[in-house]
Amino acid sequence: NAGVTQTPKFQVLKTGQSMTLQCAQDMNHEYMSWYRQDPGMGLRLIHYSVGAGITDQGEVPNGYNVSRSTTEDFPLRLLSAAPSQTSVYFCASRDRRWGGAGKSQETQYFGPGTRLLVL
Amino acid sequence: AQSVSQHNHHVILSEAASLELGCNYSYGGTVNLFWYVQYPGQHLQLLLKYFSGDPLVKGIKGFEAEFIKSKFSFNLRKPSVQWSDTAEYFCAVNVYSGAGSYQLTFGKGTKLSVIP
Repeated sequence: NAGVTQTPKFQVLKTGQSMTLQCAQDMNHEYMSWYRQDPGMGLRLIHYSVGAGITDQGEVPNGYNVSRSTTEDFPLRLLSAAPSQTSVYFCASRDRRWGGAGKSQETQYFGPGTRLLVL
Repeated sequence: AQSVSQHNHHVILSEAASLELGCNYSYGGTVNLFWYVQYPGQHLQLLLKYFSGDPLVKGIKGFEAEFIKSKFSFNLRKPSVQWSDTAEYFCAVNVYSGAGSYQLTFGKGTKLSVIP
């Protein structure tokens, strides 16, 4: 398995440009998510998806769109980039196993990240 | 909303020193707990996790963590650190909110610098 893959690794945009960050996983995980990482802020959830055709907003969704047409892919779109979106973006997918008393045990695995600079 | 607090922003240790990084969370229900490590320029890797059972969890590279429910804590420990442990460490809490909905919340991270 390749795990979680992301492209591109690095990107420089000008304010107002649009782009799509790609994310794919080959582990047949239903749950996928996008985070941004900023110094001193930890990781903050942008959007997530619990399965193909289903997406929802996380903590910091403004300025980003997502779609989930297949289980494998979960692209993140910036429609009009702003300098505040300069960050490192991580995609993740979640493995779910069932433990005792019907409670799930979920472990999240991360992609290598995309460094985005918006000028 | 639940929150995760990591007490130290930056910890500096000499090689062979013992390590303990604090993590507290604010949710009172059932939680799953994780520590992730991020080496310089790399992505997050799972260090260890706790779902249930023995509250002392052993992970990779000699790390362990203890879940103390009464203190809402999940501190990370290592008896003797190495220079290669220099990295940023993130505590995360996965909260089950019912109807198949979960939320993973991260602490802000602790940078560990190990001096040879």
